[in-house]
Amino acid sequence: NAGVTQTPKFQVLKTGQSMTLQCAQDMNHEYMSWYRQDPGMGLRLIHYSVGAGITDQGEVPNGYNVSRSTTEDFPLRLLSAAPSQTSVYFCASRRDSSSSYEQYFGPGTRLTVT
Amino acid sequence: DAKTTQPTSMDCAEGRAANLPCNHSTISGNEYVYWYRQIHSQGPQYIIHGLKNNETNEMASLIITEDRKSSTLILPHATLRDTAVYYCIVRVAGQAGTALIFGKGTTLSVSS
Repeated sequence: NAGVTQTPKFQVLKTGQSMTLQCAQDMNHEYMSWYRQDPGMGLRLIHYSVGAGITDQGEVPNGYNVSRSTTEDFPLRLLSAAPSQTSVYFCASRRDSSSSYEQYFGPGTRLTVT
Repeated sequence: DAKTTQPTSMDCAEGRAANLPCNHSTISGNEYVYWYRQIHSQGPQYIIHGLKNNETNEMASLIITEDRKSSTLILPHATLRDTAVYYCIVRVAGQAGTALIFGKGTTLSVSS
């Protein structure tokens, strides 16, 4: 049972490049989400999904796209990277959206945009 | 979601109990209290949560006051590996679109 996995662990992009951050979970969780964490700050929600085929925006969605074609995977796409997107990105999942169950976080992807 | 207030930092000697307070005076009747921690550069880790009653698991105990306006996370025998930032969060269970709002938390330093 791997839990929540994220790839890559580190990435450096040039301004304007695009890329996809991968997230997968093997717990059959319905609910998945993406957060970003900037230095000295808490986590902010980017996008979330309550099940395959269903996604919605969080607090800071601009510049990011998501899709959820399977229960297991929830990739985050940066359309045109900007230095303001330099951050640590965490993917998280929990059993479903209508419970008090705890949320499980992945190890993070550290992204630098130059 | 209700706002929480936590001390910025706390120190604890290894082997002693660490008691981390959290104030949530505007908590609503259907909001749970959650505790997470984040060890340097890692993803946040769930610790415990509760609604009204005190809770205990293999990691910690959660004591919620009768009026639910504050709570305390207790790590009974702190170790060096418990050094982390601890976040107290209150939220309604089942809100799909609202995040767990992670504030700045309490930085707990455990020393030998």
